[in-house]
Amino acid sequence: QVELVESGGGVVQPGRSLRLSCAASGFTFRNYGMHWVRQAPGKGLEWVAVISYDGRDKYYRDSVKGRFTISRDNSKKTLYLQMNSLRADDTAVYYCAKDFAMMDPSLYFDLWGRGSLVAVSS
Amino acid sequence: EIVLTQSPATLSLSPGERATLSCRASQSVSSQLAWYQQKPGQAPRLLIYDTSNRATGIPARFSGSGSGTDFTLTISSLQPEDFAVYYCQQRSSWPQITFGQGTRLEIK
Repeated sequence: QVELVESGGGVVQPGRSLRLSCAASGFTFRNYGMHWVRQAPGKGLEWVAVISYDGRDKYYRDSVKGRFTISRDNSKKTLYLQMNSLRADDTAVYYCAKDFAMMDPSLYFDLWGRGSLVAVSS
Repeated sequence: EIVLTQSPATLSLSPGERATLSCRASQSVSSQLAWYQQKPGQAPRLLIYDTSNRATGIPARFSGSGSGTDFTLTISSLQPEDFAVYYCQQRSSWPQITFGQGTRLEIK
């Protein structure tokens, strides 16, 4: 079955860290760029970061640069998001999403996980 | 950052009617625009990419058009399962990908 399953979310205090994971199955994970996209409660979608199929290239939205790190382990078919110095405005459901195209990213997302809620609160 | 503005914010229609959703970009995105559907409690689903190409498994009643700064998603005859929130997304300003704020399509 083709799916993405996120884990690792929860409630965390401002300034603390959290790591999200996303387990992939049903497709050749190592061939696709992967993304994190978030959605604050009752709000729209916000792209967070992308990593190339081989892990060499990584890009972030400006508001998370220097605080978040995207990584992947192709042998484990798993995507990660290390989130440091968390702020209240990072509160959101975090989705991992597969890029539409093989190898070079299309920057469209054709498979999404169910999401993992991160709540930053004191 | 390219800002995408969707209109209307809410669209109230009946099953069988035609829906027209708009997405306007603050600067040209060429044809590099996609549409997603999101139902409550679910992840988004890719409907259309590169303005007018339907993703795998998307019914033919969904179509996309436009170029530059003005884009349209049309649902030719609404089915009960089409009532959801729709987002447009551009990839032109790579790596800063942006989404519109969404249009809620509700049953009248």
